[in-house]
This record gives sequence, structure tokens and C-alpha cells, in this order.
Amino acid sequence: DQQVKQNSPSLSVQEGRISILNCDYTNSMFDYFLWYKKYPAEGPTFLISISSIKDKNEDGRFTVFLNKSAKHLSLHIVPSQPGDSAVYFCAASVRRDDKIIFGKGTRLHILP
Amino acid sequence: DGGITQSPKYLFRKEGQNVTLSCEQNLNHDAMYWYRQDPGQGLRLIYYSQIVNDFQKGDIAEGYSVSREKKESFPLTVTSAQKNPTAFYLCASSIRGELNEKLFFGSGTQLSVL
Repeated sequence: DQQVKQNSPSLSVQEGRISILNCDYTNSMFDYFLWYKKYPAEGPTFLISISSIKDKNEDGRFTVFLNKSAKHLSLHIVPSQPGDSAVYFCAASVRRDDKIIFGKGTRLHILP
Repeated sequence: DGGITQSPKYLFRKEGQNVTLSCEQNLNHDAMYWYRQDPGQGLRLIYYSQIVNDFQKGDIAEGYSVSREKKESFPLTVTSAQKNPTAFYLCASSIRGELNEKLFFGSGTQLSVL
């Protein structure tokens, strides 16, 4: 039973345009959400996070939006750059449980 | 230079053989984790340990074993009971109670079956 769902396995976006990656979750106990970025044959690196008490968090070109009623979050990358081509994992946690549940990932291709 | 070191980077297992993947961290982190990545499957939690000499099963612990005798080390053994071991294995660590953005990953071990 997947608690964190990324329904788009891949996404292609023109360089300079906005990339929007989506994520849905089923566990209403999740209170912290994260995005990780992963290049091939490397470990994931933390990108941005958001607490359930907020609906938006911004860090440079990256913005995460949280819609708790819809159990949905999205990552916006503006403007998209070639180095953004990677697999992006959505993740969620119940802070007191001390473990993170990851989605299956979305492979983002930034086209020249 | 602090970080998490996984070794080897590539590992081959013969049928019926146990193999051990190494994970060492010098970040002084309390908690350590093992994840498995399969194509199109994301990261699935195998085992995690929040403190020395204690560990818990994750979502897919069958066929795996771990130990946590030292704070810095969290080796993962893939036993012969794991029928589909071919995957990319990732070790991670965090400061206990500060899990979220403090989760640091190693560079991974690719395990393949001969």
C-alpha cells in the first residue's frame, strides 16, 4: 500500500520554463514533507521541505506547495536549468516516528 | 571530511551466498538507515537503527539482517533467503530527532546476482 505516490514516472520540460512535479499521499498523520534530488549512481540529496503547518515554502528557484485537504504537494522549479535533470523523490514523515517514506520518483528531463 | 561511506560500489552475489554491504559514517549521527532502490520503485526502507545495539525492521526486511555494534557502522547482510537481491542499496544517517532535512545518504552499492 503506497503511502506516497508520484504518478508521473517522467516529465520533460524546456529549459527556462517551469517544471512542476506532483505528489499525493494517503496517510493523514504525515506532518513533514520533503523533496530529494538524485543523479544516477549517487545517493539522493535533500532539496526542500515543508511542515504541515505551512502551505508554501520557497528556496531560490524551488518552491513547494502543500494542499492538506487534497493530500497533495507539488514542487515548482523556475526557471528550469539543464542541471535540474535528475530523479526527484517526494517523501513524507511522521516526525515522532523517525522514518521517512519515499515515493517512486519522477525523472525530470530538461530539454535544450 | 565528514560523510557516509558505502563499500563496495559494485558487488556480485552467487546463488545461495550471503553478502555484506558496508556503511560507515563519521558525522556522529545517532540514526542510520538502509534503503533499497529498484527501477520504478523508489526507495524502500529495509532496516533502521536509532541507537547503538538497537534496530527495527522497515517495510521490506525479509531476507536481510543488520547489526549496530558501533555508532559509526551499520552493515547490511543480504542473505540467501532474499530471492531478488539485485538492486541499488543506499545507506543514510541522521541526527536522532532531527530526521528530516538532516538525512544524509551514501553513494550506494549496486548488488547483482551472478
